[in-house]
Amino acid sequence: DVKVTQSSRYLVKRTGEKVFLECVQDMDHENMFWYRQDPGLGLRLIYFSYDVKMKEKGDIPEGYSVSREKKERFSLILESASTNQTSMYLCASSLPERNTGELFFGEGSRLTVL
Amino acid sequence: GNSVTQMEGPVTLSEEAFLTINCTYTATGYPSLFWYVQYPGEGLQLLLKATKADDKGSNKGFEATYRKETTSFHLEKGSVQVSDSAVYFCALNLNTGGFKTIFGAGTRLFVKA
Repeated sequence: DVKVTQSSRYLVKRTGEKVFLECVQDMDHENMFWYRQDPGLGLRLIYFSYDVKMKEKGDIPEGYSVSREKKERFSLILESASTNQTSMYLCASSLPERNTGELFFGEGSRLTVL
Repeated sequence: GNSVTQMEGPVTLSEEAFLTINCTYTATGYPSLFWYVQYPGEGLQLLLKATKADDKGSNKGFEATYRKETTSFHLEKGSVQVSDSAVYFCALNLNTGGFKTIFGAGTRLFVKA
């Protein structure tokens, strides 16, 4: 079975802290994504990666960075967390774009910044 | 630009009622269309998809038909169950020129017993 695993389901951090969200997929997918989910706004793309060490900005990259050192792992980093980054974060992976683009999601990481 | 618009929720239905969740899109080119479902406390999972005009996607009793002339992909189910309570997201993916999937805002469905 296809699996995308996010390391933390729930995190509580303080303003200014550095936050790492980890995501691992076991499907050998080239593409990986970080989305942010907020009520009424749907999913918004933060960053994506189409290969190891490659990254591209999505629609809302400000305040975030990413790292992809291995094909199966894609990390989202909040250098200095702020209260407006309180949200649900979803990691996803997919096959290359010649495929239909189906996304496989992890269960999400709910981050609260105090 | 490319976008997806779906009906606002929440939608509240009684068990065995008929469900329609409207979805329309704007896109350049010929996108693939998807419905994803998010059950409480979980991530999104693919419910069904259609890759070209007039295709019908179906799964678990849900159906949606890719209508190019009306740029729509409405989700339907003939008889909903309590276990269908979830948030439903319509989405499109442009098969050329990028990897991005564009999501609608989501529609929350409550089904009462």
